[in-house]
Amino acid sequence: ELKVEQNPLFLSMQEGKNYTIYCNYSTTSDRLYWYRQDPGKSLESLFVLLSNGAVKQEGRLMASLDTKARLSTLHITAAVHDLSATYFCAVGGGSQGNLIFGKGTKLSVKP
Amino acid sequence: EAQVTQNPRYLITVTGKKLTVTCSQNMNHEYMSWYRQDPGLGLRQIYYSMNVEVTDKGDVPEGYKVSRKEKRNFPLILESPSPNQTSLYFCASSLSKTVGEKLFFGSGTQLSVL
Repeated sequence: ELKVEQNPLFLSMQEGKNYTIYCNYSTTSDRLYWYRQDPGKSLESLFVLLSNGAVKQEGRLMASLDTKARLSTLHITAAVHDLSATYFCAVGGGSQGNLIFGKGTKLSVKP
Repeated sequence: EAQVTQNPRYLITVTGKKLTVTCSQNMNHEYMSWYRQDPGLGLRQIYYSMNVEVTDKGDVPEGYKVSRKEKRNFPLILESPSPNQTSLYFCASSLSKTVGEKLFFGSGTQLSVL
């Protein structure tokens, strides 16, 4: 059974600092996704990672995938308040349509 | 505007009273899915559909039904709701069958079962 673990679950950081959110998964998968959710809102797709070594960047966020280690990271560079949100990783399960989410990382960026 | 539309946004009901949450997308997407979000548990997949008339169970399908008679619609049916189905529900769709494409989410339906 595929399990997805995110660390940390809560993250409070200062503006301008760097930090990394980790997403570990328990069995082989060929696809990994990152989503952002603002309080009281729906989810917004950030990145889709489909191969070992994939790296994608948008603004202050960079996501990478190591399929051998079953690990994805979401790196935040020089955080700003607007990045405050909950970030979820999701991993493709055994069948094509199955998707398993992590519990989410609630990020709070303080001035 | 490309979107996934869920209705209703908020629903309060009583135990045992059948209800349907509708989901419609206007992007000609093949793949659609339903999730529930509970505090501390993240999102859990209920059902998904790879195409018309093709549906499959996710991780928490008990107590739910779905149908996919048309490409654009994917309703979620609770035949006999119970309080443990109180949750925030999201519908999502994506273009391709392989789900390599990103998911587009609806605005969510907050369901309370008394």
